[in-house]
This record gives sequence, structure tokens and C-alpha cells, in this order.
Amino acid sequence: DTEVTQTPKHLVMGMTNKKSLKCEQHMGHRAMYWYKQKAKKPPELMFVYSYEKLSINESVPSRFSPECPNSSLLNLHLHALQPEDSALYLCASSRQGGERNTQYFGPGTRLTVL
Amino acid sequence: ILNVEQSPQSLHVQEGDSTNFTCSFPSSNFYALHWYRWETAKSPEALFVMTLNGDEKKKGRISATLNTKEGYSYLYIKGSQPEDSATYLCAFSTGTASKLTFGTGTRLQVTL
Repeated sequence: DTEVTQTPKHLVMGMTNKKSLKCEQHMGHRAMYWYKQKAKKPPELMFVYSYEKLSINESVPSRFSPECPNSSLLNLHLHALQPEDSALYLCASSRQGGERNTQYFGPGTRLTVL
Repeated sequence: ILNVEQSPQSLHVQEGDSTNFTCSFPSSNFYALHWYRWETAKSPEALFVMTLNGDEKKKGRISATLNTKEGYSYLYIKGSQPEDSATYLCAFSTGTASKLTFGTGTRLQVTL
């Protein structure tokens, strides 16, 4: 099973809402990633968790709060977002951290902030 | 800021044509180069991870080569099929920033 699942597929939220994106993998991978992709731009790394600990935060605003409750799950909590945060949010996992390991991606959550 | 460029931006070929695209990256501090295929409404699919100068990798009709000294990788598709229609992304790493930097992709459309 090389599948990474993400829920929801689509999310529309207001600037005062609190919502969460979820990501799950059952490949026994120990590194998990959040990427953000704006239209016609490449995916940009937001966060990396390695062995359930946050190892990289690419200077992401605090209105995005990641959480890794266990080795299979990765959440992204959203609060007080801005319309410019509308984007496709991709989750990925790899066997372990390090850029020589293949990253397996989920299909993404399409987020619209009104 | 690392600059990873892909060309062409888009490509339209007919079924049966062979095609290739380029990924250019900084030639200093090379660590790894990834290729992904991303079909609309699906997950990006990993194709290759390349780490050594001169590497050649193959998966079915798709192959890739790597030149780290001059900072480029080619992706080749032999005998394109409509199911090859997708955006092909490369991603580069220096190994120091612990992250992949993606190119903007080459969008391939294969028609009958």
C-alpha cells in the first residue's frame, strides 16, 4: 500500500473559522511533510516531521499549526486564515527524512478562504 | 534561493511520438534530483530519484539521465500514449537545507 490519503478533498472557510486538514499513511514511513501549492507555481515546503517531531518549519505563519499525533497521522490546523492562503495543500511521506528518499504524495486538499 | 527551471513549459505531441524535457538546477552542492508525474486530480507519482552524475534510470517507456556537473536532467518518453498526459515535475536538493525545491513543471498533452 503506497497510498497517502488526505481529507477533506475540498474546504471552504471564512477568515474567522478554525478547521483542520488531515493526512494519513500506513506505509510505516517516519517522515511526513506539508506542502502548499498556489496555481501555476511549484509546491513549496511548509513543514517536515521526522519521527513525530517537527524538524523543519519553513517560516510558516502561526495561523498554520501542524500536529503529528502518531507516526501515521499528520494534521494541519488552520485559524484566522487570509484569502491569499487559498491553495492546494499536499501531504507527503517518506521512509525516513532526507532528500534521497522517495516522497509519496496524497491528492491534496483544495482550500478556499473567503 | 535555489532556481530549478524546467523546459518547455508545455508540450503537445501525438500518440507514438517520443519526447523529452529538461530540468536545470544549480551545479554546485548537488545531492539529489527527483522526477514526479502529476495527473490532474490525482497525487503526484514518484518516477525516479537520481543521486549520481551519469545516472540513467528507466521505468517502462520513461527514462531519465542526470548530469550534475553541468546541472541538468533529461526525462524521455518513448512512444507517447494519451495516458502519459500529465505535468512532469523535477525537484532538486543540495542536502544542506533538508528540503526539495520543485520546478514549475512541463505539462505534456498526448493526443490520438
